[in-house]
Amino acid sequence: QKEVEQNSGPLSVPEGAIASLNCTYSDRGSQSFFWYRQYSGKSPELIMSIYSNGDKEDGRFTAQLNKASQYVSLLIRDSQPSDSATYLCAVNIKDNYGQNFVFGPGTRLSVLP
Amino acid sequence: SAVISQKPSRDICQRGTSLTIQCQVDSQVTMMFWYRQQPGQSLTLIATANQGSEATYESGFVIDKFPISRPNLTFSTLTVSNMSPEDSSIYLCSVVKIAKLNTEAFFGQGTRLTVV
Repeated sequence: QKEVEQNSGPLSVPEGAIASLNCTYSDRGSQSFFWYRQYSGKSPELIMSIYSNGDKEDGRFTAQLNKASQYVSLLIRDSQPSDSATYLCAVNIKDNYGQNFVFGPGTRLSVLP
Repeated sequence: SAVISQKPSRDICQRGTSLTIQCQVDSQVTMMFWYRQQPGQSLTLIATANQGSEATYESGFVIDKFPISRPNLTFSTLTVSNMSPEDSSIYLCSVVKIAKLNTEAFFGQGTRLTVV
């Protein structure tokens, strides 16, 4: 069973703080890793992708990947109330049947003004 | 990227009836999926829509209840058959675009289904 685990939250941070979202995955064959943001009543939207070990920065967002520990995280700097949403970690796995995206349960983030 | 048009955006249906949800993509894609998301829950994969052959269903989902069509590489439909209130959920179409350097998944706007 290929699994992606996340803390369900809610994670509450004050405005301006750093929000840290964590994700672990079980399949060592995982190749690509993604963070999606989903506002209530909306569909998920891709905010970050990461493919190799280390950090990847995009504006206020930093994704961190450690394949040895099977761990991927998302840091949101200078958190804003508009960042309040559910963040889904997704892992792309390539196996004999093709490519498959496996989503974690999501972490609900609340940024308090 | 991919632009996905999913219809209808929402519907309220009587139990025992069926609803067909359409998903149209602005470019050809090999991989197309249907997900269900119940309130406060994460995404549950229903099936992979295969072009020219029967869909591949995940455990707990069957073709008689969720028939899927995929006549070409830009279009798919999901039907929720003989609906009951337990089928009330958001249904999402997703496509995966595979490029040399990266692979990304994109979602339609979702269909919010309420069965009464």
